[in-house]
Amino acid sequence: KAGVTQTPRYLIKTRGQQVTLSCSPISGHRSVSWYQQTPGQGLQFLFEYFSETQRNKGNFPGRFSGRQFSNSRSEMNVSTLELGDSALYLCASSLALGDGPAGTQYFGPGTRLLVL
Amino acid sequence: AQSVTQLGSHVSVSEGALVLLRCNYSSSVPPYLFWYVQYPNQGLQLLLKYTTGATLVKGINGFEAEFKKSETSFHLTKPSAHMSDAAEYFCAVSGGYGGSQGNLIFGKGTKLSVKP
Repeated sequence: KAGVTQTPRYLIKTRGQQVTLSCSPISGHRSVSWYQQTPGQGLQFLFEYFSETQRNKGNFPGRFSGRQFSNSRSEMNVSTLELGDSALYLCASSLALGDGPAGTQYFGPGTRLLVL
Repeated sequence: AQSVTQLGSHVSVSEGALVLLRCNYSSSVPPYLFWYVQYPNQGLQLLLKYTTGATLVKGINGFEAEFKKSETSFHLTKPSAHMSDAAEYFCAVSGGYGGSQGNLIFGKGTKLSVKP
Protein backbone atom coordinates (compact mmCIF):
# COMPACT_ATOMS: atom_id res chain seq x y z
CA LYS A 1 0.00 0.00 0.00
CA ALA A 2 1.19 3.49 -0.72
CA GLY A 3 1.80 5.62 2.33
CA VAL A 4 0.46 9.04 3.16
CA THR A 5 1.42 11.54 0.50
CA GLN A 6 1.65 15.28 0.89
CA THR A 7 2.00 17.93 -1.76
CA PRO A 8 3.86 20.08 -2.25
CA ARG A 9 6.92 19.04 -0.26
CA TYR A 10 8.37 22.53 -0.13
CA LEU A 11 6.77 25.92 -0.41
CA ILE A 12 7.95 29.51 -0.13
CA LYS A 13 5.42 32.27 0.42
CA THR A 14 5.48 35.88 1.54
CA ARG A 15 3.66 37.45 4.44
CA GLY A 16 0.01 38.12 3.79
CA GLN A 17 -0.38 35.43 1.16
CA GLN A 18 -2.44 32.31 1.61
CA VAL A 19 -1.43 28.71 1.07
CA THR A 20 -3.17 25.37 0.53
CA LEU A 21 -1.54 22.07 1.42
CA SER A 22 -2.81 18.71 0.29
CA CYS A 23 -2.79 15.29 1.91
CA SER A 24 -3.78 11.90 0.48
CA PRO A 25 -4.27 9.27 3.18
CA ILE A 26 -3.46 5.60 2.96
CA SER A 27 -6.08 3.79 0.91
CA GLY A 28 -8.98 2.81 3.16
CA HIS A 29 -8.12 5.27 5.91
CA ARG A 30 -10.93 7.66 6.70
CA SER A 31 -9.43 9.85 9.39
CA VAL A 32 -6.91 12.59 8.64
CA SER A 33 -5.15 14.76 11.20
CA TRP A 34 -2.84 17.72 10.67
CA TYR A 35 0.07 18.82 12.85
CA GLN A 36 2.44 21.76 12.82
CA GLN A 37 6.08 21.19 13.75
CA THR A 38 8.36 24.08 14.67
CA PRO A 39 11.67 24.17 16.55
CA GLY A 40 10.16 26.34 19.27
CA GLN A 41 6.75 24.82 19.85
CA GLY A 42 7.41 21.26 18.72
CA LEU A 43 4.59 19.17 17.32
CA GLN A 44 1.16 20.68 17.77
CA PHE A 45 -2.19 19.32 16.70
CA LEU A 46 -4.15 21.43 14.25
CA PHE A 47 -7.31 19.50 13.42
CA GLU A 48 -8.78 16.10 12.67
CA TYR A 49 -11.27 15.11 9.99
CA PHE A 50 -13.36 12.01 9.62
CA SER A 51 -16.03 11.44 6.96
CA GLU A 52 -15.70 15.04 5.76
CA THR A 53 -16.42 16.41 9.23
CA GLN A 54 -14.04 18.18 11.55
CA ARG A 55 -14.07 16.17 14.76
CA ASN A 56 -11.40 17.87 16.77
CA LYS A 57 -9.49 21.14 16.63
CA GLY A 58 -6.32 22.37 18.27
CA ASN A 59 -5.58 25.80 19.64
CA PHE A 60 -4.80 27.70 16.45
CA PRO A 61 -6.29 30.92 15.09
CA GLY A 62 -9.06 30.90 12.53
CA ARG A 63 -6.55 31.62 9.77
CA PHE A 64 -5.90 27.89 9.83
CA SER A 65 -8.67 25.86 8.25
CA GLY A 66 -9.13 22.54 6.61
CA ARG A 67 -11.51 20.27 4.86
CA GLN A 68 -11.87 16.67 3.83
CA PHE A 69 -13.31 15.35 0.61
CA SER A 70 -15.48 12.30 0.02
CA ASN A 71 -12.42 10.27 -1.03
CA SER A 72 -10.82 11.12 2.36
CA ARG A 73 -8.21 13.41 0.81
CA SER A 74 -7.71 16.51 2.90
CA GLU A 75 -6.50 20.03 2.42
CA MET A 76 -5.47 22.64 4.92
CA ASN A 77 -5.40 26.34 4.23
CA VAL A 78 -3.57 29.12 5.97
CA SER A 79 -4.67 32.64 5.12
CA THR A 80 -2.82 35.90 5.74
CA LEU A 81 0.49 34.15 6.34
CA GLU A 82 2.75 35.33 9.13
CA LEU A 83 6.46 34.72 9.60
CA GLY A 84 5.64 32.46 12.52
CA ASP A 85 3.71 30.11 10.24
CA SER A 86 7.00 28.82 8.84
CA ALA A 87 6.97 25.18 9.82
CA LEU A 88 6.79 21.59 8.75
CA TYR A 89 3.14 20.63 8.33
CA LEU A 90 2.50 16.95 8.83
CA CYS A 91 -0.54 15.00 7.85
CA ALA A 92 -1.45 11.67 9.42
CA SER A 93 -4.09 9.13 8.52
CA SER A 94 -5.73 6.34 10.46
CA LEU A 95 -8.45 3.80 9.97
CA ALA A 96 -10.76 5.27 12.60
CA LEU A 97 -12.92 2.17 12.60
CA GLY A 98 -13.33 1.15 16.21
CA ASP A 99 -9.74 1.73 17.21
CA GLY A 100 -10.62 4.99 18.87
CA PRO A 101 -7.78 6.84 20.57
CA ALA A 102 -5.67 3.68 20.59
CA GLY A 103 -5.49 3.68 16.83
CA THR A 104 -2.23 4.25 15.02
CA GLN A 105 -1.69 7.40 13.01
CA TYR A 106 0.54 7.05 9.97
CA PHE A 107 2.42 10.19 9.01
CA GLY A 108 3.34 11.62 5.67
CA PRO A 109 6.70 13.24 4.91
CA GLY A 110 5.33 16.73 5.50
CA THR A 111 5.23 20.02 3.65
CA ARG A 112 7.91 22.49 4.64
CA LEU A 113 6.53 26.01 4.45
CA LEU A 114 8.80 29.03 4.56
CA VAL A 115 7.19 32.44 4.95
CA LEU A 116 9.36 35.42 3.99
CA ALA B 1 -5.74 17.30 30.27
CA GLN B 2 -2.96 15.09 29.02
CA SER B 3 0.66 16.08 28.71
CA VAL B 4 4.03 14.47 28.00
CA THR B 5 7.47 15.36 29.30
CA GLN B 6 10.61 14.00 27.70
CA LEU B 7 13.66 14.31 29.89
CA GLY B 8 16.73 15.32 27.93
CA SER B 9 16.53 17.10 24.60
CA HIS B 10 19.80 15.45 23.51
CA VAL B 11 21.15 12.04 24.37
CA SER B 12 24.46 10.70 23.11
CA VAL B 13 25.51 7.06 23.33
CA SER B 14 28.28 4.95 21.87
CA GLU B 15 27.53 2.32 19.29
CA GLY B 16 26.63 -0.91 21.11
CA ALA B 17 25.63 0.86 24.32
CA LEU B 18 22.21 0.87 25.93
CA VAL B 19 19.75 3.46 24.71
CA LEU B 20 17.38 4.92 27.32
CA LEU B 21 15.01 7.73 26.38
CA ARG B 22 12.78 8.96 29.15
CA CYS B 23 9.12 9.90 28.93
CA ASN B 24 6.67 10.82 31.67
CA TYR B 25 3.02 11.48 31.04
CA SER B 26 0.09 13.08 32.76
CA SER B 27 -3.39 11.84 32.02
CA SER B 28 -6.72 11.91 33.81
CA VAL B 29 -7.90 8.84 31.90
CA PRO B 30 -6.15 5.56 31.10
CA PRO B 31 -3.48 6.66 28.65
CA TYR B 32 -2.68 5.40 25.22
CA LEU B 33 1.04 5.99 24.72
CA PHE B 34 3.18 6.05 21.61
CA TRP B 35 6.80 6.41 20.61
CA TYR B 36 7.59 7.81 17.17
CA VAL B 37 10.93 8.31 15.43
CA GLN B 38 11.74 11.05 12.95
CA TYR B 39 14.72 10.90 10.62
CA PRO B 40 15.98 14.12 9.02
CA ASN B 41 13.61 15.55 6.43
CA GLN B 42 11.08 12.80 6.99
CA GLY B 43 7.76 12.33 8.71
CA LEU B 44 7.15 10.34 11.86
CA GLN B 45 7.33 6.57 12.02
CA LEU B 46 5.65 4.59 14.77
CA LEU B 47 8.07 2.56 16.89
CA LEU B 48 5.57 1.10 19.34
CA LYS B 49 2.42 1.83 21.28
CA TYR B 50 0.80 0.90 24.56
CA THR B 51 -2.96 0.57 24.76
CA THR B 52 -3.94 -2.02 27.35
CA GLY B 53 -2.63 -5.35 28.57
CA ALA B 54 1.05 -6.22 28.76
CA THR B 55 3.05 -3.35 30.14
CA LEU B 56 6.25 -4.27 28.30
CA VAL B 57 5.75 -3.35 24.66
CA LYS B 58 8.07 -4.46 21.91
CA GLY B 59 8.44 -2.38 18.78
CA ILE B 60 10.37 -2.23 15.58
CA ASN B 61 14.15 -2.05 15.20
CA GLY B 62 14.76 -3.71 18.58
CA PHE B 63 13.14 -0.99 20.68
CA GLU B 64 10.87 -1.64 23.61
CA ALA B 65 9.13 0.42 26.26
CA GLU B 66 7.62 -0.33 29.64
CA PHE B 67 4.45 1.31 30.90
CA LYS B 68 4.71 2.02 34.63
CA LYS B 69 1.50 3.46 35.95
CA SER B 70 2.88 4.09 39.44
CA GLU B 71 5.67 6.20 37.98
CA THR B 72 3.58 7.64 35.11
CA SER B 73 6.43 6.69 32.82
CA PHE B 74 6.87 5.10 29.42
CA HIS B 75 10.62 4.99 28.85
CA LEU B 76 12.05 3.72 25.56
CA THR B 77 15.02 1.36 25.56
CA LYS B 78 17.21 -0.56 23.17
CA PRO B 79 19.95 -2.89 24.43
CA SER B 80 22.52 -2.04 21.77
CA ALA B 81 22.60 1.18 19.76
CA HIS B 82 23.34 1.22 16.04
CA MET B 83 24.52 4.17 14.01
CA SER B 84 21.24 4.01 12.13
CA ASP B 85 19.34 4.79 15.35
CA ALA B 86 20.50 8.40 15.23
CA ALA B 87 17.29 10.38 14.90
CA GLU B 88 14.78 12.36 16.92
CA TYR B 89 12.36 10.43 19.10
CA PHE B 90 8.96 11.62 20.24
CA CYS B 91 6.77 10.28 23.00
CA ALA B 92 3.06 10.97 22.64
CA VAL B 93 -0.19 10.40 24.48
CA SER B 94 -3.50 10.18 22.72
CA GLY B 95 -5.88 12.99 23.49
CA GLY B 96 -8.76 11.17 21.91
CA TYR B 97 -11.89 9.93 23.58
CA GLY B 98 -14.98 8.02 22.65
CA GLY B 99 -14.77 6.84 19.10
CA SER B 100 -12.46 9.61 17.97
CA GLN B 101 -8.88 9.05 16.97
CA GLY B 102 -8.38 12.38 18.61
CA ASN B 103 -5.13 14.17 18.60
CA LEU B 104 -1.69 13.12 19.67
CA ILE B 105 -0.04 15.23 22.33
CA PHE B 106 3.70 15.09 21.81
CA GLY B 107 6.67 15.66 24.00
CA LYS B 108 9.38 18.06 22.86
CA GLY B 109 11.46 15.25 21.45
CA THR B 110 14.87 13.77 22.23
CA LYS B 111 17.65 13.82 19.65
CA LEU B 112 19.70 10.67 19.84
CA SER B 113 23.30 10.75 18.65
CA VAL B 114 25.28 7.53 18.25
CA LYS B 115 29.07 7.74 18.39
CA PRO B 116 31.21 5.15 16.58
